Amino acid sequence: IQMTQSPSSLSASVGDTVTITCRASQSISTYLNWYQQKPGKAPNLLIYVASNLQSGVPPRFRGSGSGTDFTLTITSLQPEDFATYYCQQSYGVPRTFGRGTKVEIK
Amino acid sequence: EEQLLESGGGLARPGGSLRLSCAASGFSLDRYAMSWVRQAPGKGLEWVSAISGSGTRSYYADSVKGRFTISRDNVNNTVHLQMDSLRIEDTATYYCAKDHPIYDYVGGITSWFDPWGQGTLVTVSS
Repeated sequence: IQMTQSPSSLSASVGDTVTITCRASQSISTYLNWYQQKPGKAPNLLIYVASNLQSGVPPRFRGSGSGTDFTLTITSLQPEDFATYYCQQSYGVPRTFGRGTKVEIK
Repeated sequence: EEQLLESGGGLARPGGSLRLSCAASGFSLDRYAMSWVRQAPGKGLEWVSAISGSGTRSYYADSVKGRFTISRDNVNNTVHLQMDSLRIEDTATYYCAKDHPIYDYVGGITSWFDPWGQGTLVTVSS
């Protein structure tokens, strides 16, 4: 299952709302997870099963979608949110990731 | 607190071997499937392999099938990745991760990777 993530990068300011999209090459129900990765660090789970917020993750992160189209929305962007975000499908094997979206400071 | 700690990375020659280990603490490894995910320098994430909770079933990406072997030692709460016939393109940081909340990939139950280890760097170069 191919995961197409867009955009590959974006520039935003603190306080902005940003939206990242992820499209699967086939229907994956809601079996879609989102991770945040900061430079030199391991990825960190943000959202699981499309819209469930991982414990400890701020509610400004919101996931939605089902089937083939999914979005990650970050409202009121904070300085610590500048990172790379990956989607990942857990419908089939092999597990596959999107290529990532780098959120940079404008 | 659930934690994973990888070890065993380093420099290997093309065609050589390395064995990675992932030690778990804060949870019983034998209740969960476990995966290895890698990240080449400056690139994205690539799932490499997974193993069922019992260790009886294993799964591999096409890019490593026949060269890498995943195993687990539930007594010592450790997962291993034996990497043989290494190629330059295997150069990456290798992360282990728990496949929460599943025991095995069969059955169609979804999962997510949490937690992750800090990663261990494998460099394949002549």
